[in-house]
Amino acid sequence: GNSVTQMEGPVTLSEEAFLTINCTYTATGYPSLFWYVQYPGEGLQLLLKATKADDKGSNKGFEATYRKETTSFHLEKGSVQVSDSAVYFCALSDLTDTGRRALTFGSGTRLQVQP
Amino acid sequence: DTEVTQTPKHLVMGMTNKKSLKCEQHMGHRAMYWYKQKAKKPPELMFVYSYEKLSINESVPSRFSPECPNSSLLNLHLHALQPEDSALYLCASSQRADGDGNTIYFGEGSWLTVV
Repeated sequence: GNSVTQMEGPVTLSEEAFLTINCTYTATGYPSLFWYVQYPGEGLQLLLKATKADDKGSNKGFEATYRKETTSFHLEKGSVQVSDSAVYFCALSDLTDTGRRALTFGSGTRLQVQP
Repeated sequence: DTEVTQTPKHLVMGMTNKKSLKCEQHMGHRAMYWYKQKAKKPPELMFVYSYEKLSINESVPSRFSPECPNSSLLNLHLHALQPEDSALYLCASSQRADGDGNTIYFGEGSWLTVV
């Protein structure tokens, strides 16, 4: 079956530090990969996505590259801000037994950025 | 415009009540989803509708009853819930339920408390 593994949190950084949140996946097919962000008390927002190997998704200074050889999709940002404090979910989308695509989420990584 | 609108934002209900959660999107998407999210956990898929037909039911108890009146609306009818059903209920939509690279967009969620 499909699965997504994320690094345990919380990750605590000072403002302007470099961020990496690791994500690896296991999938039976050819999944698309996503990062979603959830700010406190809110729903999930799509942060970025990649649909095939070597694609790089980017948004708001965040980047992630779809690495098929290492089955990874690590999230990076060069300089974090306090406003980036949130929970980050790595997810994959693959076909289920019913022929429909569904998201499989990682457990989430809480990021805390201190001023 | 990538907006999925959910109402109500907060709901408190007794175990004998009947209530409904509502979701609306005007992006022309033909797939809609209900997810359940407990505190500090990733979202879990409950139901998938594709072209207004239920295509995935993830073994959800019958006290949760989904309904898709048309391609823009998705309801979740609640009856005889238990306190452990208290959670954030997220509605989502995508262009299709089976396309490659399909992006799933989430609403802000409805916070449900069962007393």
